[in-house]
Order: sequence, then C-alpha cells, then structure tokens
Amino acid sequence: EAGVVQSPRYKIIEKKQPVAFWCNPISGHNTLYWYRQNLGQGPELLIRYENEEAVDDSQLPKDRFSAERLKGVDSTLKIQPAELGDSAVYLCASSRQDFGYTFGSGTRLTVV
Amino acid sequence: DAKTTQPPSMDCAEGRAANLPCNHSTISGNEYVYWYRQIHSQGPQYIIHGLKNNETNEMASLIITEDRKSSTLILPHATLRDTAVYYCIAHAPGAAGNKLTFGGGTRVLVKP
Repeated sequence: EAGVVQSPRYKIIEKKQPVAFWCNPISGHNTLYWYRQNLGQGPELLIRYENEEAVDDSQLPKDRFSAERLKGVDSTLKIQPAELGDSAVYLCASSRQDFGYTFGSGTRLTVV
Repeated sequence: DAKTTQPPSMDCAEGRAANLPCNHSTISGNEYVYWYRQIHSQGPQYIIHGLKNNETNEMASLIITEDRKSSTLILPHATLRDTAVYYCIAHAPGAAGNKLTFGGGTRVLVKP
C-alpha cells in the first residue's frame, strides 16, 4: 500500500509570509495527526483528527496555525503569518483507530 | 502516556547485537510499550510493540521485564543502516486522549 504522502518536501519562506502543508493519509485510516519536530527533539502533536473532526487541537497555536481535513481524507496545515520560531519539520501520520501509526517523510520548513 | 527514560546516545559495532534500554516505571496496565525509530530526514518508523510478553519480528526483539517497569529493544545484528534515533513510548491505543508522545529518544550510531 502507498504510505503517507506529504508535500512539499522542503519549503523556505520569509517571515510573515503564509505557508501550507498537505498530507494524504493511508487509504482507510480514519485518524490523522500533525506533529511538529524541532531540531534534536522528538515530534510533538499539534492536532489529531478522527475522520473530519479535530478531536485534540490543544497544542495547536491557534493565533497563526490552522488545519482542515475536508471529507475526512486529505489534510492541510497552514501557518499565517510564519515566524522564525516556526522553522521545524512538520510530520503527518495516520492510523486505523489508533493502532499502527504510519508517518510521512515530513515537510522541512525554514523561515528566514 | 507514561513517561519513558532512555539514554541519550549509544554506539554499537556493526554485526553485533544492539541492546537499547528503556525505563517506564509508571506504566499503566493498559499501556503497551512501542518502539519507533527515525532515520535522518525521514519520519518515525514503527519497529515493534508489546504488552507483557516478549515479542520478536523481522526487525527486532522486545524484552519486557516481569514488573513491566523497563524494557530492552534488541537489534540482533546491527548494520550501518540501523543508525537512527530510537524512541520508546508507553501508549494505550484506543484510550481517551490517545496519541503517541515522543521523548528525546536514543541516538544510536552503528560503527563499522
């Protein structure tokens, strides 16, 4: 089966600009996660979806971050405006009812 | 998820067994021990998980102590491609607020 697909792979933007990341989960996986990973640290959960409903967004900085998962399949994570401290790797993962997480390769964001 | 403690780094020789320890003294009865690894520039990859019994698959073996307060991941014949950060996670799949919580992991360097 195809894995979790993320795009773009890399993104460099100037601060205060908007940016969006896209994730296509594994077919049939109802749960989708966005994680952020800072350099030298483990991934941290930003938001979790069950189908199209965001069931845990407590760690999402809502003043500048937003996410959506229309039709309970693909998902988009947006940052507007980006800050220097947002430079990180953004990882998407999916699972079937919280079993067997599969991660994508991530999007490496650099804000200059 | 219960907190886990791992050594920050370790080296091992190519072809030898690599034994990666993890402490999870506050693990709950319904929490499994999961191991993931992250190779440079990739997303975390599932290795193995277990509840009480020792487990083995094509990648590794997992030894869980009888009191479940610690575990060891064994890579039987380490190769250079096993160089990665290894994460030990205590997680109860399906529980309320379910999510994988990553710590700092162990950075494993396999040397020729």
